Amino acid sequence: DAGVIQSPRHEVTEMGQEVTLRCKPISGHNSLFWYRQTMMRGLELLIYFNNNVPIDDSGMPEDRFSAKMPNASFSTLKIQPSEPRDSAVYFCASSMDSGWNSPLHFGNGTRLTVT
Amino acid sequence: AQSVSQHNHHVILSEAASLELGCNYSYGGTVNLFWYVQYPGQHLQLLLKYFSGDPLVKGIKGFEAEFIKSKFSFNLRKPSVQWSDTAEYFCAVKPLSGSARQLTFGSGTQLTVLP
Repeated sequence: DAGVIQSPRHEVTEMGQEVTLRCKPISGHNSLFWYRQTMMRGLELLIYFNNNVPIDDSGMPEDRFSAKMPNASFSTLKIQPSEPRDSAVYFCASSMDSGWNSPLHFGNGTRLTVT
Repeated sequence: AQSVSQHNHHVILSEAASLELGCNYSYGGTVNLFWYVQYPGQHLQLLLKYFSGDPLVKGIKGFEAEFIKSKFSFNLRKPSVQWSDTAEYFCAVKPLSGSARQLTFGSGTQLTVLP
């Protein structure tokens, strides 16, 4: 079990550029979550998918943010255009239980810096 | 909506000292409870969880937590900490029948163990 795999680990980009974060959940997990962690706001749920379908995207801050899950083994979080206030660590997590009661398995995160 | 309070923002201990980190939540119904740990530069990892049964839950690395329903608390304990326990600890709560959106994390407690 390789765990949840995220790429890249670090991303530094200039304001206005498009940023794409990638996530491969644990095989067999049917729920995938995107979180953002900042000092000011802690850990925030942005969006989650169940069986590749977006269930709740109410945490996505703005239309600049979008997420897709084209298949069970891959998801992307895109920010276009990026802004300095988007700087944060973005975590992807997956879980097995569609009843939402199994614990989350987190990836190592992508540290995004927008200058 | 439920909330989670971790009153200790930063705890500093010497090795071999005993640890207790507080976690209180506000929700009137049945909940699932979690403690996650985040080592420096790493992702969140599950320490332990409570779903039902014995309110004293044992987790990895010698940690345990006790669910006291009457106090709405789920405090994390370890009898003797090690330098390697230096990390940030997050309590999380989710209503039993709630969606993933309702998994709420506390703001975290940074534990520093001095060698």
